[in-house]
Amino acid sequence: ETGVTQSPTHLIKTRGQQVTLRCSSQSGHNTVSWYQQALGQGPQFIFQYYREEENGRGNFPPRFSGLQVPNYSSELNVNALELDDSALYLCASSVSGSSYEQYFGPGTRLTVT
Amino acid sequence: KQEVTQIPAALSVPEGENLVLNCSFTDSAIYNLQWFRQDPGKGLTSLLLIQSSQREQTSGRLNASLDKSSGRSTLYIAASQPGDSATYLCAAENNFNKFYFGSGTKLNVKP
Repeated sequence: ETGVTQSPTHLIKTRGQQVTLRCSSQSGHNTVSWYQQALGQGPQFIFQYYREEENGRGNFPPRFSGLQVPNYSSELNVNALELDDSALYLCASSVSGSSYEQYFGPGTRLTVT
Repeated sequence: KQEVTQIPAALSVPEGENLVLNCSFTDSAIYNLQWFRQDPGKGLTSLLLIQSSQREQTSGRLNASLDKSSGRSTLYIAASQPGDSATYLCAAENNFNKFYFGSGTKLNVKP
């Protein structure tokens, strides 16, 4: 158990809808990163939040957005869902700085139909 | 842009064998390299973290090495067991806490 939780576990949405995924970081961690993992692929970096500010973004369109709040919670919002957004979404928390491990949550499986 | 490659994509071995999983990365300016295990449909479990100043890390039957100059890392699993069956992912950290993952090696250890 890493102490990182995600909700919901599974989600089914229709193309064009909006979705919010939630992550609760490990206590004391000030950084949260979100990843998208398509079937059979490694996780792809979406963005990272450090002390409630976005601190880097991968190659994802603006309809992927997020936030982090002081109580170690974070959200990933995806607007105008597309079929290709179907994936496992993972969040990872860490303490900012080199040499610190990322601790991953169990993920949210999103299916877009 | 960092690109991480893992070879082989899949591996099937009989129980008890020692095995090596390979990971290569294109940008040698990494902070850390981390190996993870992922069971089907699940999140990632951290196995070993090698800091950029280190050359290897060991935990139980696992040993990971890092050669930054050649852009390679290996994960050595000794005396493999059926419970080791999973997908193994390596991730290179370039900027603080931003990891670039390979596609993984799917390992099957046969009883």
